[in-house]
Amino acid sequence: RKEVEQDPGPFNVPEGATVAFNCTYSNSASQSFFWYRQDCRKEPKLLMSVYSSGNEDGRFTAQLNRASQYISLLIRDSKLSDSATYLCVVNVNNDMRFGAGTRLTVKP
Amino acid sequence: NAGVTQTPKFQVLKTGQSMTLQCAQDMNHNSMYWYRQDPGMGLRLIYYSASEGTTDKGEVPNGYNVSRLNKREFSLRLESAAPSQTSVYFCASSEVTAGSGNTIYFGEGSWLTVV
Repeated sequence: RKEVEQDPGPFNVPEGATVAFNCTYSNSASQSFFWYRQDCRKEPKLLMSVYSSGNEDGRFTAQLNRASQYISLLIRDSKLSDSATYLCVVNVNNDMRFGAGTRLTVKP
Repeated sequence: NAGVTQTPKFQVLKTGQSMTLQCAQDMNHNSMYWYRQDPGMGLRLIYYSASEGTTDKGEVPNGYNVSRLNKREFSLRLESAAPSQTSVYFCASSEVTAGSGNTIYFGEGSWLTVV
Protein backbone atom coordinates (compact mmCIF):
# COMPACT_ATOMS: atom_id res chain seq x y z
CA ARG A 1 0.00 0.00 0.00
CA LYS A 2 1.32 3.45 -0.89
CA GLU A 3 1.97 5.81 2.02
CA VAL A 4 -0.06 8.56 0.39
CA GLU A 5 -2.89 7.67 -1.98
CA GLN A 6 -4.93 9.90 -4.22
CA ASP A 7 -7.56 9.31 -6.88
CA PRO A 8 -5.60 10.06 -10.07
CA GLY A 9 -8.65 11.42 -11.86
CA PRO A 10 -8.92 13.10 -14.22
CA PHE A 11 -11.68 15.25 -12.86
CA ASN A 12 -13.33 17.18 -15.68
CA VAL A 13 -15.63 19.92 -14.40
CA PRO A 14 -17.33 23.00 -15.89
CA GLU A 15 -16.38 26.48 -14.83
CA GLY A 16 -18.12 27.46 -11.63
CA ALA A 17 -18.39 23.92 -10.31
CA THR A 18 -17.35 22.78 -6.87
CA VAL A 19 -14.90 19.90 -6.82
CA ALA A 20 -13.41 17.92 -3.96
CA PHE A 21 -10.30 15.75 -3.79
CA ASN A 22 -9.48 13.25 -1.10
CA CYS A 23 -6.17 11.83 -0.02
CA THR A 24 -5.49 9.01 2.42
CA TYR A 25 -2.29 8.32 4.29
CA SER A 26 -1.14 5.15 5.98
CA ASN A 27 1.16 6.34 8.76
CA SER A 28 -0.77 7.41 11.84
CA ALA A 29 2.34 9.22 13.13
CA SER A 30 2.22 11.71 10.26
CA GLN A 31 2.79 15.17 11.60
CA SER A 32 1.89 17.79 9.02
CA PHE A 33 0.01 17.95 5.76
CA PHE A 34 -0.02 20.06 2.62
CA TRP A 35 -1.53 20.49 -0.80
CA TYR A 36 0.78 21.38 -3.68
CA ARG A 37 -0.28 22.35 -7.18
CA GLN A 38 1.62 21.28 -10.28
CA ASP A 39 0.91 22.65 -13.75
CA CYS A 40 1.69 20.53 -16.81
CA ARG A 41 5.47 20.17 -17.27
CA LYS A 42 6.13 22.58 -14.41
CA GLU A 43 7.42 22.28 -10.87
CA PRO A 44 5.14 21.73 -7.85
CA LYS A 45 4.26 24.80 -5.81
CA LEU A 46 2.73 25.02 -2.34
CA LEU A 47 -1.01 25.67 -2.48
CA MET A 48 -1.80 25.50 1.22
CA SER A 49 -0.98 23.77 4.47
CA VAL A 50 -3.67 21.68 6.12
CA TYR A 51 -4.45 22.29 9.76
CA SER A 52 -6.37 20.07 12.16
CA SER A 53 -9.13 22.63 12.54
CA GLY A 54 -9.49 23.00 8.78
CA ASN A 55 -8.49 26.10 6.90
CA GLU A 56 -9.66 28.21 4.03
CA ASP A 57 -7.86 30.37 1.49
CA GLY A 58 -10.27 32.13 -0.81
CA ARG A 59 -12.04 29.49 -2.89
CA PHE A 60 -9.94 26.68 -1.43
CA THR A 61 -10.76 24.78 1.77
CA ALA A 62 -8.58 22.06 3.26
CA GLN A 63 -9.70 19.58 5.91
CA LEU A 64 -7.85 16.97 7.93
CA ASN A 65 -9.40 13.93 9.58
CA ARG A 66 -6.72 12.29 11.71
CA ALA A 67 -9.00 9.52 12.97
CA SER A 68 -9.74 8.35 9.43
CA GLN A 69 -6.33 9.41 8.09
CA TYR A 70 -7.53 11.45 5.19
CA ILE A 71 -7.12 14.97 3.90
CA SER A 72 -9.44 16.79 1.56
CA LEU A 73 -9.28 19.81 -0.71
CA LEU A 74 -12.42 21.61 -1.81
CA ILE A 75 -12.36 24.09 -4.68
CA ARG A 76 -15.44 26.30 -5.07
CA ASP A 77 -16.41 28.29 -8.15
CA SER A 78 -13.78 26.56 -10.32
CA LYS A 79 -11.83 28.72 -12.76
CA LEU A 80 -10.13 27.66 -15.98
CA SER A 81 -6.86 28.57 -14.29
CA ASP A 82 -7.46 25.92 -11.61
CA SER A 83 -6.66 23.22 -14.20
CA ALA A 84 -3.61 21.43 -12.81
CA THR A 85 -2.53 18.38 -10.85
CA TYR A 86 -3.01 18.61 -7.10
CA LEU A 87 -0.49 16.78 -4.94
CA CYS A 88 -1.22 15.66 -1.40
CA VAL A 89 1.89 15.81 0.78
CA VAL A 90 2.36 14.23 4.20
CA ASN A 91 5.24 14.73 6.61
CA VAL A 92 6.25 11.32 7.95
CA ASN A 93 9.03 11.43 10.52
CA ASN A 94 10.61 14.52 8.98
CA ASP A 95 10.32 13.13 5.47
CA MET A 96 7.86 14.70 3.04
CA ARG A 97 5.92 12.01 1.15
CA PHE A 98 4.07 13.00 -2.00
CA GLY A 99 0.97 11.44 -3.46
CA ALA A 100 0.92 10.78 -7.20
CA GLY A 101 -1.55 13.63 -7.70
CA THR A 102 -5.10 14.22 -8.90
CA ARG A 103 -5.53 15.88 -12.27
CA LEU A 104 -8.21 18.53 -12.63
CA THR A 105 -9.44 20.03 -15.90
CA VAL A 106 -11.87 22.92 -15.73
CA LYS A 107 -13.75 23.46 -18.98
CA PRO A 108 -15.61 26.53 -20.27
CA ASN B 1 14.16 36.23 -8.34
CA ALA B 2 15.84 33.03 -9.55
CA GLY B 3 14.91 30.79 -6.58
CA VAL B 4 16.07 27.26 -7.43
CA THR B 5 17.91 26.85 -10.72
CA GLN B 6 18.76 23.45 -12.16
CA THR B 7 20.53 22.41 -15.35
CA PRO B 8 20.25 20.89 -17.85
CA LYS B 9 16.53 21.05 -18.59
CA PHE B 10 16.63 18.19 -21.09
CA GLN B 11 19.19 15.43 -21.58
CA VAL B 12 19.36 12.16 -23.50
CA LEU B 13 21.93 9.66 -22.32
CA LYS B 14 23.03 6.27 -23.55
CA THR B 15 23.01 3.38 -21.10
CA GLY B 16 26.23 3.40 -19.12
CA GLN B 17 27.03 7.07 -19.62
CA SER B 18 27.50 9.36 -16.67
CA MET B 19 26.23 12.85 -16.05
CA THR B 20 25.73 15.43 -13.33
CA LEU B 21 22.63 17.49 -12.72
CA GLN B 22 23.48 20.87 -11.26
CA CYS B 23 21.34 22.81 -8.81
CA ALA B 24 21.74 26.15 -7.09
CA GLN B 25 19.46 28.20 -4.83
CA ASP B 26 19.73 31.85 -3.94
CA MET B 27 17.36 31.88 -0.95
CA ASN B 28 20.04 31.08 1.67
CA HIS B 29 18.21 27.84 2.55
CA ASN B 30 19.94 25.24 4.66
CA SER B 31 18.16 22.18 3.26
CA MET B 32 18.29 20.95 -0.30
CA TYR B 33 16.75 17.90 -1.99
CA TRP B 34 16.72 15.84 -5.15
CA TYR B 35 13.46 14.15 -6.18
CA ARG B 36 12.45 12.10 -9.16
CA GLN B 37 8.91 12.06 -10.55
CA ASP B 38 7.53 9.15 -12.55
CA PRO B 39 3.99 8.67 -13.88
CA GLY B 40 1.70 7.23 -11.21
CA MET B 41 4.45 7.26 -8.59
CA GLY B 42 4.52 10.78 -7.28
CA LEU B 43 7.67 12.55 -6.22
CA ARG B 44 10.23 10.31 -4.53
CA LEU B 45 13.19 11.58 -2.56
CA ILE B 46 16.58 10.47 -3.86
CA TYR B 47 18.93 12.31 -1.52
CA TYR B 48 18.75 15.31 0.72
CA SER B 49 21.13 17.62 2.53
CA ALA B 50 19.97 19.15 5.79
CA SER B 51 22.89 21.56 5.87
CA GLU B 52 26.14 22.33 4.17
CA GLY B 53 28.50 19.40 4.50
CA THR B 54 25.87 16.75 5.17
CA THR B 55 23.98 14.43 2.85
CA ASP B 56 21.56 11.58 3.52
CA LYS B 57 19.83 8.93 1.47
CA GLY B 58 16.18 9.25 0.69
CA GLU B 59 13.69 6.69 -0.53
CA VAL B 60 15.39 5.77 -3.84
CA PRO B 61 19.17 6.48 -3.64
CA ASN B 62 20.51 3.52 -5.60
CA GLY B 63 22.42 4.52 -8.74
CA TYR B 64 22.93 8.11 -7.62
CA ASN B 65 25.49 10.18 -5.76
CA VAL B 66 25.26 13.74 -4.51
CA SER B 67 27.57 16.54 -3.50
CA ARG B 68 26.66 19.54 -1.36
CA LEU B 69 29.37 21.78 -2.76
CA ASN B 70 28.47 24.76 -0.58
CA LYS B 71 25.33 26.24 0.91
CA ARG B 72 24.02 27.24 -2.52
CA GLU B 73 24.80 24.19 -4.64
CA PHE B 74 23.69 20.56 -4.55
CA SER B 75 24.53 18.29 -7.47
CA LEU B 76 23.20 14.86 -8.43
CA ARG B 77 25.40 12.42 -10.34
CA LEU B 78 24.44 9.35 -12.30
CA GLU B 79 27.63 7.28 -12.60
CA SER B 80 26.31 4.68 -15.04
CA ALA B 81 22.90 5.60 -16.39
CA ALA B 82 20.24 2.92 -16.79
CA PRO B 83 16.89 3.09 -18.64
CA SER B 84 15.14 2.82 -15.23
CA GLN B 85 16.56 6.26 -14.44
CA THR B 86 14.52 7.86 -17.21
CA SER B 87 12.50 10.38 -15.24
CA VAL B 88 11.91 14.01 -14.40
CA TYR B 89 14.30 15.22 -11.71
CA PHE B 90 13.50 18.11 -9.40
CA CYS B 91 15.91 19.90 -7.14
CA ALA B 92 14.36 21.69 -4.19
CA SER B 93 15.27 23.69 -1.13
CA SER B 94 13.68 24.77 2.14
CA GLU B 95 14.60 26.94 5.05
CA VAL B 96 14.75 24.07 7.51
CA THR B 97 14.30 20.35 7.21
CA ALA B 98 11.07 19.73 5.36
CA GLY B 99 9.37 17.93 8.21
CA SER B 100 8.94 21.11 10.18
CA GLY B 101 6.42 22.23 7.63
CA ASN B 102 8.38 24.94 5.89
CA THR B 103 7.64 25.42 2.22
CA ILE B 104 9.69 23.43 -0.25
CA TYR B 105 10.69 25.42 -3.34
CA PHE B 106 11.33 23.43 -6.49
CA GLY B 107 13.44 24.03 -9.55
CA GLU B 108 11.85 23.79 -12.98
CA GLY B 109 12.84 20.16 -13.47
CA SER B 110 15.25 18.22 -15.64
CA TRP B 111 13.84 15.76 -18.17
CA LEU B 112 16.27 12.85 -18.50
CA THR B 113 15.92 10.02 -20.99
CA VAL B 114 18.26 7.03 -20.93
CA VAL B 115 18.25 4.95 -24.10
